[in-house]
Amino acid sequence: GAVVSQHPSWVICKSGTSVKIECRSLDFQATTMFWYRQFPKQSLMLMATSNEGSKATYEQGVEKDKFLINHASLTLSTLTVTSAHPEDSSFYICSASRPSPQETQYFGPGTRLLVL
Amino acid sequence: GQNIDQPTEMTATEGAIVQINCTYQTSGFNGLFWYQQHAGEAPTFLSYNVLDGLEEKGRFSSFLSRSKGYSYLLLKELQMKDSASYLCAVRRYRDDKIIFGKGTRLHILP
Repeated sequence: GAVVSQHPSWVICKSGTSVKIECRSLDFQATTMFWYRQFPKQSLMLMATSNEGSKATYEQGVEKDKFLINHASLTLSTLTVTSAHPEDSSFYICSASRPSPQETQYFGPGTRLLVL
Repeated sequence: GQNIDQPTEMTATEGAIVQINCTYQTSGFNGLFWYQQHAGEAPTFLSYNVLDGLEEKGRFSSFLSRSKGYSYLLLKELQMKDSASYLCAVRRYRDDKIIFGKGTRLHILP
């Protein structure tokens, strides 16, 4: 199956710092990647759609200045949580769409962020 | 808007069969996914239905009825490792975004 990687898998940081999370599609090119956030025992909430070569589109209620997304190439998207606060502690998961043989969306392993 | 409903929790016995239902309302449907998610891990892809009917893949099968806005995931010969959350997700036609239901936590008893 398709492989999507994320780095780092775990981050612990102090309040006020910025954290960058990388999402890579390892064996296919992805013009579109998605970023989700998941709080304990809740479902995945779509944060934004990352488009290669253009600006990301954010879901309602997600602050674009706080969650910076850069889709620099067809295999890499980054999410930067700026000035992180304890309420940003969550499980962040990216996904990438693979168009063939059957278009589907594959998830990275996730990044667990803990802001102290 | 989108609305995806699935039961919050289900319990079944090892070796048995369980069916997890999902109903949805969406403006513009372009496929339904089922994912499995173990605690603390990211979701893993199970199935994708875009046409009506049953898709079988080993012990797992997924069914879709677009006219009824209904899908189910059928798990046969349940194993203890099948204890997980099962997420129903719908892709919107207009922007390809995948919206998730709240998930069904499946508990397998020995």
